[in-house]
Amino acid sequence: ILNVEQSPQSLHVQEGDSTNFTCSFPSSNFYALHWYRWETAKSPEALFVMTLNGDEKKKGRISATLNTKEGYSYLYIKGSQPEDSATYLCALIKAAGNKLTFGGGTRVLVKP
Amino acid sequence: DSGVTQTPKHLITATGQRVTLRCSPRSGDLSVYWYQQSLDQGLQFLIQYYNGEERAKGNILERFSAQQFPDLHSELNLSSLELGDSALYFCASSVTSGGGSSYNEQFFGPGTRLTVL
Repeated sequence: ILNVEQSPQSLHVQEGDSTNFTCSFPSSNFYALHWYRWETAKSPEALFVMTLNGDEKKKGRISATLNTKEGYSYLYIKGSQPEDSATYLCALIKAAGNKLTFGGGTRVLVKP
Repeated sequence: DSGVTQTPKHLITATGQRVTLRCSPRSGDLSVYWYQQSLDQGLQFLIQYYNGEERAKGNILERFSAQQFPDLHSELNLSSLELGDSALYFCASSVTSGGGSSYNEQFFGPGTRLTVL
């Protein structure tokens, strides 16, 4: 079983504060990592696809880093806004063309 | 709007019945993926098709089957339904398959919520 763990499970953030959370995976099984954002009553939306150790990607106030040697990725939200409230999912691909294995997600609630 | 469409949006049926869920991928996408999200479980990969052929299989039950048609739309057939099959079923599409699919984001449809009574 391929374990993709996300922590924390949920997070309450004050509007304007920055936050970050973690996706952990077996470092011996890595090909690519996807991050998705999933708002309530909507469908998951891709944020980043990360493939190389040391990768850093950014989209607006959201950024992500990747450490394949130690098996983790961080997602950062800078200056959180209420519209950032969503569940953030990471998904691992352990071999070329293989399926996505999703973590359980981190549910972020930004309070005004 | 991701460009992926799924029908129906909601489906309520009884145990033992058979249903078909339909998915149309984004224009130009050749790969279609099916996922299931049950209560208290994350997104679970079921099956992938690429240009009409099965490419990868996840934890898909034998009672479930899928296919992708020449126009690239896909159908997921669920038979002998049980209460535990109640879930949100997502379809996603991406441009490529094989090694390429690892680097291409997947675009998710709105999902079909299946309730088995």
